[in-house]
Amino acid sequence: DMKVTQMPRYLIKRMGENVLLECGQDMSHETMYWYRQDPGLGLQLIYISYDVDSNSEGDIPKGYRVSRKKREHFSLILDSAKTNQTSVYFCASSLEGKGDTQYFGPGTRLLVL
Amino acid sequence: GDQVEQSPSALSLHEGTGSALRCNFTTTMRAVQWFQQNSRGSLINLFYLASGTKENGRLKSTFNSKESYSTLHIRDAQLEDSGTYFCAAEGYSNTNKVVFGTGTRLQVLP
Repeated sequence: DMKVTQMPRYLIKRMGENVLLECGQDMSHETMYWYRQDPGLGLQLIYISYDVDSNSEGDIPKGYRVSRKKREHFSLILDSAKTNQTSVYFCASSLEGKGDTQYFGPGTRLLVL
Repeated sequence: GDQVEQSPSALSLHEGTGSALRCNFTTTMRAVQWFQQNSRGSLINLFYLASGTKENGRLKSTFNSKESYSTLHIRDAQLEDSGTYFCAAEGYSNTNKVVFGTGTRLQVLP
């Protein structure tokens, strides 16, 4: 059963705290993505990873970094979270990226106070 | 950069009726993907098209790369079709990035 998982599903942090969002997939997909979704803006790409230790900035990478040490895991890190990083974060994966369907995780709702 | 214009932004349908959602692209796109985001926030893959038309049950999608648009047709709408529908388009750049539309919020009324 093809699956993308995200942990945690809900998170409340204070401004300045560090945040770690985890994503996993069991499909051996090469390409993984982190998006954030805000009202009226659709989904915006934060980072894309083509494979282990092969990461590239998306459209809104500022304030974020990522880590991919294993093909099945892709982490999003916020060092010193800001209130404007309150959002819903989605992870996705695809087999090769180009020309392939993206499969999404259930999302993580982050509130930064 | 590449842009995706999605319309309408909101739509109400009575059960049993149908309508079409549309995405226009400002540049030539390689492929398009359509998603439904349900009331729980989950994103559900509906279609991936590199060209032509695909149909699945009461849903049909068309992608016209030459004319830079894609449509999603819903017929015989049901209450469970309510949600927000997104298109996401893939350009011809060397990256694997896609650009999302801002979504169509569909409400199906009894």
